[in-house]
Amino acid sequence: AQSVTQLGSHVSVSEGALVLLRCNYSSSVPPYLFWYVQYPNQGLQLLLKYTSAATLVKGINGFEAEFKKSETSFHLTKPSAHMSDAAEYFCAVSGGAGGTSYGKLTFGQGTILTVHP
Amino acid sequence: SAVISQKPSRDICQRGTSLTIQCQVDSQVTMMFWYRQQPGQSLTLIATANQGSEATYESGFVIDKFPISRPNLTFSTLTVSNMSPEDSSIYLCSVSRTGDYGYTFGSGTRLTVV
Repeated sequence: AQSVTQLGSHVSVSEGALVLLRCNYSSSVPPYLFWYVQYPNQGLQLLLKYTSAATLVKGINGFEAEFKKSETSFHLTKPSAHMSDAAEYFCAVSGGAGGTSYGKLTFGQGTILTVHP
Repeated sequence: SAVISQKPSRDICQRGTSLTIQCQVDSQVTMMFWYRQQPGQSLTLIATANQGSEATYESGFVIDKFPISRPNLTFSTLTVSNMSPEDSSIYLCSVSRTGDYGYTFGSGTRLTVV
């Protein structure tokens, strides 16, 4: 079984400020972890993924996330927010390759990021 | 990553009717999935589309309501049958290739049932 909790349904930052979106997961098997972004009326775009290699993962648009097994966390950060970062962000977990939950993404409830000028 | 074409992009349907959504990928993929995103909600996996065999459904979803086909490695359809207003959602196709542990999503089909 697997689950994802995103802390904070809405996060608001000023342009140029640090972005921190929190994600905690639960998984009975070694997890693969993902962050997706969804702009209004669009599908999901993969920002980054953790698949048991380096624990600090760098993604597109300056985002990065760190897998911390001891804390069961995979928080998303960006040093300096841009207006174009305003969107909804989803954290997701799946089981690793070879497992029965491989490929089946369980999503968190999403965090809406607002960026103020 | 794979490029997905999902059709239609949106539709307004009468209750009691059915709608078939198509997912076409520009290259062969090993895994195809269908998700539902209800208004203001997160995504929920409906089923795994298996090539040449019956789809594997998640708890709460049944084949009679959401029949799925996958005749080859680049194409799948999801039908939403006997629709009611509660079926109003965004339906998304997702794919993955062997060795590529990221999952690419289509742009979704926004369905409104009236």
